[in-house]
Amino acid sequence: SQQGEEDPQALSIQEGENATMNCSYKTSINNLQWYRQNSGRGLVHLILIRSNEREKHSGRLRVTLDTSKKSSSLLITASRAADTASYFCATASNTGNQFYFGTGTSLTVIP
Amino acid sequence: DAGVIQSPRHEVTEMGQEVTLRCKPISGHNSLFWYRQTMMRGLELLIYFNNNVPIDDSGMPEDRFSAKMPNASFSTLKIQPSEPRDSAVYFCASSKQTQGQPYGYTFGSGTRLTVV
Repeated sequence: SQQGEEDPQALSIQEGENATMNCSYKTSINNLQWYRQNSGRGLVHLILIRSNEREKHSGRLRVTLDTSKKSSSLLITASRAADTASYFCATASNTGNQFYFGTGTSLTVIP
Repeated sequence: DAGVIQSPRHEVTEMGQEVTLRCKPISGHNSLFWYRQTMMRGLELLIYFNNNVPIDDSGMPEDRFSAKMPNASFSTLKIQPSEPRDSAVYFCASSKQTQGQPYGYTFGSGTRLTVV
């Protein structure tokens, strides 16, 4: 299966702390993306990192990609209560145009 | 742009009934995807279309499921007959594919289907 797996499944932190989520996948990829899903809503695209990139930043988000280990991490710095959501990684194969989503990390930021 | 629009938001139906879910992608997007989300299985890709043509329907669970995209602005996912195990949230997503360029999806708010 191309599906990624996020780790941990659930994470609870205090507001202001940093949150780190990891994603592992199995096959070669063209790019990897992170999405956020608030309860009862659709997924929102956060950031995309290409297979030839190692690190990318967007505001308080930092994504790393290690293709040799087939893993990625999402770091949210200075977390806020509004960051409470589930976070998913999605991978696209070199030959496919469709994305396969991981099982998600449920993040709770306590005010 | 209003984003990806799905209807209905909620659907409760009896086992054996036909269910039709609808999706309007973002104007100008040429790819459309149907996903199903459950606690047990997470997000599953059911089918995707490129330029209104079904490209990969290997994720469609059974012949009871069918999807169409008659034009660039409309798609349906039909379940006939529906079963309780079809209960899930069904998401539609669209994107603009350009050759050589990776892209992100825009998701709709989903249809929560309950089959009793």
